[in-house]
Amino acid sequence: KQEVTQIPAALSVPEGENLVLNCSFTDSAIYNLQWFRQDPGKGLTSLLLIQSSQREQTSGRLNASLDKSSGRSTLYIAASQPGDSATYLCAVRPRDSSYKLIFGSGTRLLVRP
Amino acid sequence: DAGITQSPRHKVTETGTPVTLRCHQTENHRYMYWYRQDPGHGLRLIHYSYGVKDTDKGEVSDGYSVSRSKTEDFLLTLESATSSQTSVYFCAIRGTGEAFFGQGTRLTVV
Repeated sequence: KQEVTQIPAALSVPEGENLVLNCSFTDSAIYNLQWFRQDPGKGLTSLLLIQSSQREQTSGRLNASLDKSSGRSTLYIAASQPGDSATYLCAVRPRDSSYKLIFGSGTRLLVRP
Repeated sequence: DAGITQSPRHKVTETGTPVTLRCHQTENHRYMYWYRQDPGHGLRLIHYSYGVKDTDKGEVSDGYSVSRSKTEDFLLTLESATSSQTSVYFCAIRGTGEAFFGQGTRLTVV
């Protein structure tokens, strides 16, 4: 059974710092991995989608990498800003049940001014 | 924003009453999902649909039913609401790749 883990559960950094959020999954047979952002009381906003054949995707200050063999993905945020404060979730779409998205429990990020 | 609308956005209902939540999409995506999000449990899949009239259960489907009579609408029904179904409910859609989520419905069962 695919399991997705995000560590740490919470992170607090000063503004301007570069940071890395981690996502690990137990089964490397995936179609893709997607990173989301969730603000309090809001829905999930898609940030980046990495297909299983890709190693990384970039959007602005965000860069997501994927290493299927080790079951890991990282989300790199450059020059963090207070507006980046949110919960970040990763989700994988497994090959054996491709309709599903399996979510991690998220990392709650606080960027201090 | 992806074209997803959930209604209602907030609802308070009494134990034992039926409740229907609606998800409407304008993207013509094949897949639609209902999740619930609870502290300590994260996002859990209730039901999903892979086409009109084609639905299946997720991991927490007991007490819930769904219907999809048109591509754009996916309805979630709580047949007899219980306090354990107090939660935030999210609808999601997916075409061939990226998934998009609605803004959520906060349901309180008293």
